[in-house]
Amino acid sequence: AQSVTQLDSQVPVFEEAPVELRCNYSSSVSVYLFWYVQYPNQGLQLLLKYLSGSTLVESINGFEAEFNKSQTSFHLRKPSVHISDTAEYFCAVSDHGAGGTSYGKLTFGQGTILTVHP
Amino acid sequence: GAGVSQSPSNKVTEKGKDVELRCDPISGHTALYWYRQSLGQGLEFLIYFQGNSAPDKSGLPSDRFSAERTGGSVSTLTIQRTQQEDSAVYLCASSSTGTWTYEQYFGPGTRLTVT
Repeated sequence: AQSVTQLDSQVPVFEEAPVELRCNYSSSVSVYLFWYVQYPNQGLQLLLKYLSGSTLVESINGFEAEFNKSQTSFHLRKPSVHISDTAEYFCAVSDHGAGGTSYGKLTFGQGTILTVHP
Repeated sequence: GAGVSQSPSNKVTEKGKDVELRCDPISGHTALYWYRQSLGQGLEFLIYFQGNSAPDKSGLPSDRFSAERTGGSVSTLTIQRTQQEDSAVYLCASSSTGTWTYEQYFGPGTRLTVT
């Protein structure tokens, strides 16, 4: 079984400031890691994912996350946020399935509401 | 292309009534998931379908909840004898299970309100 802890329920920041949204996970098996974003009145969208390889992964809109196995963390960062980044962000894990395929069931954290102020 | 669609978008029902929620996955996606998003519990896994394999029902909260997937495509989540604690947004997601394709595509959800 896995669990995910997002340490901050709300993060208010000013536009162009840096931000870090923290995520820690617990699992007895190897996992894949994801960040999903939910903009106001919209559905969940995948922001970025770590499957293997480089521990630093990036999204197309400037977010990045680093997988730290020793600290079981997958924190999300952006050096300069925009008003449009205001959304709820969810960290999630899924286990590695048998035979090299992913089972895919996601375990989510409680979410972090990022509010960017002008 | 078309994404995951869900219907209805909103459902208000009286306590004790049965409801059916529908999910149309992305064409060709063999994996289908149901999740529930509620204020008190966050996002929770409910059930998973993969091709013709037996579904993983481990997340269903009670025997009032059931789901089926017909023809490997459309899925229906049924809640019998609804209770107020069933009020939530029910999300459906689908994914392709080819190697290295682990992204789940989510539908807009069905907001269920039990009065």
